[in-house]
Amino acid sequence: EPEVTQTPSHQVTQMGQEVILRCVPISNHLYFYWYRQILGQKVEFLVSFYNNEISEKSEIFDDQFSVERPDGSNFTLKIRSTKLEDSAMYFCASSEGLRARTYNSPLHFGNGTRLTVT
Amino acid sequence: DQQVKQNSPSLSVQEGRISILNCDYTNSMFDYFLWYKKYPAEGPTFLISISSIKDKNEDGRFTVFLNKSAKHLSLHIVPSQPGDSAVYFCAAFREGSNFGNEKLTFGTGTRLTIIP
Repeated sequence: EPEVTQTPSHQVTQMGQEVILRCVPISNHLYFYWYRQILGQKVEFLVSFYNNEISEKSEIFDDQFSVERPDGSNFTLKIRSTKLEDSAMYFCASSEGLRARTYNSPLHFGNGTRLTVT
Repeated sequence: DQQVKQNSPSLSVQEGRISILNCDYTNSMFDYFLWYKKYPAEGPTFLISISSIKDKNEDGRFTVFLNKSAKHLSLHIVPSQPGDSAVYFCAAFREGSNFGNEKLTFGTGTRLTIIP
């Protein structure tokens, strides 16, 4: 079964540094997402991306964050100047973006990148 | 703003018995509700969903019930198996005008432990 892959699995960075988290969504999917989970908290929506532009973003996704689909396969999340509170597990997800009322197009998540900001 | 709540952080069930996981929501505009299962060091895996126009959806050992008037849904797993031990997240989204966009609002999760 096709899957969403994320690299690296763990990223350690110093406060103020830029990080880029990488994802390869499922190839025939049209919508791409980033979610994050701070340790012990719930999974939170960051941003959705469709047709080469941001479809929706949360209040968490401020000017320090950006997303890009640089080629036909990769989808990246960049944090320009990391803060301690950015430490979290970041999940990439993708979906077909097609839905009937029966709903058979669930979000497929990658295994996440654990970002540690020191 | 906890629009989706799972009030039980953990649940232990004997193997072979029924596991019932509960979820409450406050936003009556949600169109779809989903359950995800998560193992350590893995991403959430989709289990089952239900549209707001239905009150029950069944898939093998998993059944989701939706009570719209109470803004409550539950996931029933029967019979429970040791491999079901994981964290279960309830999630919901509103379709709105952004068709195809699945901005999920998650609950905080319930850790289910199946006792052999």
